[in-house]
Amino acid sequence: AQSVTQLGSHVSVSEGALVLLRCNYSSSVPPYLFWYVQYPNQGLQLLLKYTSAATLVKGINGFEAEFKKSETSFHLTKPSAHMSDAAEYFCAVSDPGGYQKVTFGTGTKLQVIP
Amino acid sequence: DAGVTQSPTHLIKTRGQQVTLRCSPKSGHDTVSWYQQALGQGPQFIFQYYEEEERQRGNFPDRFSGHQFPNYSSELNVNALLLGDSALYLCASSLGTDTDTQYFGPGTRLTVL
Repeated sequence: AQSVTQLGSHVSVSEGALVLLRCNYSSSVPPYLFWYVQYPNQGLQLLLKYTSAATLVKGINGFEAEFKKSETSFHLTKPSAHMSDAAEYFCAVSDPGGYQKVTFGTGTKLQVIP
Repeated sequence: DAGVTQSPTHLIKTRGQQVTLRCSPKSGHDTVSWYQQALGQGPQFIFQYYEEEERQRGNFPDRFSGHQFPNYSSELNVNALLLGDSALYLCASSLGTDTDTQYFGPGTRLTVL
């Protein structure tokens, strides 16, 4: 069964600083990987996804993530944090193909300090 | 273009009662997945419906059941509610059998007293 581990339940960065949110996955087959963002009292919004094409994936709002098979990692980065980035971020994994369930990590809450 | 909608927004029930939550998928989508998100946790997959059939199921007891209608909307039913069922219930829709692009609704907050 696939799973993801998000390192750090809370991350604080200063406005303008690099954002790095860590995610490691476990999967018996080449996985699909995702990052979602959740703002308070809202549903989840897809930031980006890796589906076995380019290993460096660019998403919305200036975020990107790199799939590293050797490290089983899919860390999320953004060069310069904005106040509006404060939210909870979830890494998720699924097996490729149809009817696949998506397994989420426990989330990382990002605080941006002005 | 309407996104995924869910109703009701909030719901309060007592232990032992039954509840029905509703979801309308994004226009053009035909697959609906349901997730339970307990406070401080990531969403957990409950089940997925496509062509009015349950295609995948997570580790949830039979008290959790669902239905998909011909217009692709879906219901989640939970019987014999427990305190531990208190959570945000999220519906996600996608096109076809691939879940690599899911759109989530705002969720229904269920409180069981």
